Amino acid sequence: SQQGEEDPQALSIQEGENATMNCSYKTSINNLQWYRQNSGRGLVHLILIRSNEREKHSGRLRVTLDTSKKSSSLLITASRAADTASYFCATDANAGKSTFGDGTTLTVKP
Amino acid sequence: DTEVTQTPKHLVMGMTNKKSLKCEQHMGHRAMYWYKQKAKKPPELMFVYSYEKLSINESVPSRFSPECPNSSLLNLHLHALQPEDSALYLCASSQGTSGSWTGELFFGEGSRLTVL
Repeated sequence: SQQGEEDPQALSIQEGENATMNCSYKTSINNLQWYRQNSGRGLVHLILIRSNEREKHSGRLRVTLDTSKKSSSLLITASRAADTASYFCATDANAGKSTFGDGTTLTVKP
Repeated sequence: DTEVTQTPKHLVMGMTNKKSLKCEQHMGHRAMYWYKQKAKKPPELMFVYSYEKLSINESVPSRFSPECPNSSLLNLHLHALQPEDSALYLCASSQGTSGSWTGELFFGEGSRLTVL
């Protein structure tokens, strides 16, 4: 991929379960962001974590960042059917040039 | 609802046509972007405008011509496209591209382009 990879590529869980997806990147970054994209729609910004932060929470979302391993994880707790979407990490190494990972497609079954 | 508006939502064009995609934002953002997204792939950066000046061109073919008439508007002019250019074209904006900018991008819903 352009900057990093996400795994798994696809994840299917039952409503109420937790979903964890991972992102790896290749170069030093200023920050890392997670976006959600519903099928055929635009991307929605979920959460940003700066390179000097290790963990961040927002509602049911928890993001971790390990700059030594160049990796991040997104945890969605108590998932809902409405969380079904593709999730992308994006890194900002150069001003204005956000690069997206390959994405994880999450399906939450009711 | 997104605050970045893209028109048209769908566009079908022949390889000899000339068409344009439009994007508008009224959040006072000073940076605007075009991304191209193929099915089941991540968005790929095409162009970045910062303060109405083209700051990044990711080696995009000249059949794609961006234009930023003012800080609220961004166009993408299309001419002599190929079928492989069929994709979802996403516009985004941000507060800026440097300084105190956090990196958050605000996306429109996209224009789905089909080239016959």
